[in-house]
Amino acid sequence: NAGVTQTPKFQVLKTGQSMTLQCAQDMNHNSMYWYRQDPGMGLRLIYYSASEGTTDKGEVPNGYNVSRLNKREFSLRLESAAPSQTSVYFCASSGQAFGSNQPQHFGDGTRLSIL
Amino acid sequence: QKEVEQNSGPLSVPEGAIASLNCTYSDRGSQSFFWYRQYSGKSPELIMFIYSNGDKEDGRFTAQLNKASQYVSLLIRDSQPSDSATYLCAVNPITGRRALTFGSGTRLQVQP
Repeated sequence: NAGVTQTPKFQVLKTGQSMTLQCAQDMNHNSMYWYRQDPGMGLRLIYYSASEGTTDKGEVPNGYNVSRLNKREFSLRLESAAPSQTSVYFCASSGQAFGSNQPQHFGDGTRLSIL
Repeated sequence: QKEVEQNSGPLSVPEGAIASLNCTYSDRGSQSFFWYRQYSGKSPELIMFIYSNGDKEDGRFTAQLNKASQYVSLLIRDSQPSDSATYLCAVNPITGRRALTFGSGTRLQVQP
């Protein structure tokens, strides 16, 4: 009964390095999301995928790319990490995205530090 | 103006009291509203949702929605120290193809 699984849980990178954050859900949800959470800023949407095969930018997409690999998996890539991308990253999923009453379910988060 | 606004707090209440958390939103056509609880260092967890004007009760929690005034609130009765957390309000906007919009959260402290 895993729900939304994120890997890794912690990561330290040097400026300019690249990495991919992985997310998988086992609830057969159509929609998946990536957020970042910074102190005092709340959750800010980076990218989302309303359904398999589609992705859209959220509020803060610059410096990130995403891939909806299949219905279960949605990855977030930092091509050239910058200190401003130090944050806690949450993946979430829901049955549907738009005009929907369905809530989002969150993974445990990835704590990313960029030196 | 932020799309979803919450007082950052901290809101401090004594154990056993009623905690009242408020949230206002700017998109008048918003249809669904969610309250998440987030303990320090943990992920947000859904505690309540409300779609219709009025009150919705679930155990010690009551969500209240007033679409005309564009606010939604969460009441926690008989507050316990274990309720100490940050409470996030989330709104599903009707305009545009967007996902949930979250407020920045209100930190609640329940004093034993």
